[in-house]
Amino acid sequence: DSGVTQTPKHLITATGQRVTLRCSPRSGDLSVYWYQQSLDQGLQFLIQYYNGEERAKGNILERFSAQQFPDLHSELNLSSLELGDSALYFCASSVGGGAIPYEQYFGPGTRLTVT
Amino acid sequence: GENVEQHPSTLSVQEGDSAVIKCTYSDSASNYFPWYKQELGKRPQLIIDIRSNVGEKKDQRIAVTLNKTAKHFSLHITETQPEDSAVYFCAASMVGDTGNQFYFGTGTSLTVIP
Repeated sequence: DSGVTQTPKHLITATGQRVTLRCSPRSGDLSVYWYQQSLDQGLQFLIQYYNGEERAKGNILERFSAQQFPDLHSELNLSSLELGDSALYFCASSVGGGAIPYEQYFGPGTRLTVT
Repeated sequence: GENVEQHPSTLSVQEGDSAVIKCTYSDSASNYFPWYKQELGKRPQLIIDIRSNVGEKKDQRIAVTLNKTAKHFSLHITETQPEDSAVYFCAASMVGDTGNQFYFGTGTSLTVIP
């Protein structure tokens, strides 16, 4: 157990819908990262937040957005869902998020199925 | 943007033999290179990492080498054991004060045959 929690574990929804994935980082970690893992595209970095502020963006679609709250938990919002958004979504947390790379601890993931 | 290529996609070795996985990257600004192990149905876990100012790092049976000039880095696992069977991902990252972006290879499925 990494100490990072994600809810829900599984999510099944229809195309065009909107969902919210939630992540609670390890105690003391200030950085949260979101990743998408699909069979055809592998592991893709989406976005990083550090202490409530967006820090780095990867291949995140405009239909997706995220935020980190004052208690440091983070939410990833996916809207206008398409079949291709079906994937495993991981969040990871680390102590820092700047020039010194700290180990990232991954959560168990949320499996999203869009039908 | 950064492009990370990883080879081979699958690798089978006999228990006790060595396994080598290679990655190349395209952006010379990348300065941090972690390797992750992901067992079936589980989360990725960091197994070793290296920064761009270091050429080699070793941790027991696992080592990583980095050639900045050629823009490639490799994972070496010696004396492989069945529990090393998993998917291994390399990543290249630009770590800086403005944040950390990570780009992953497509993964190598390693099977260690007892």
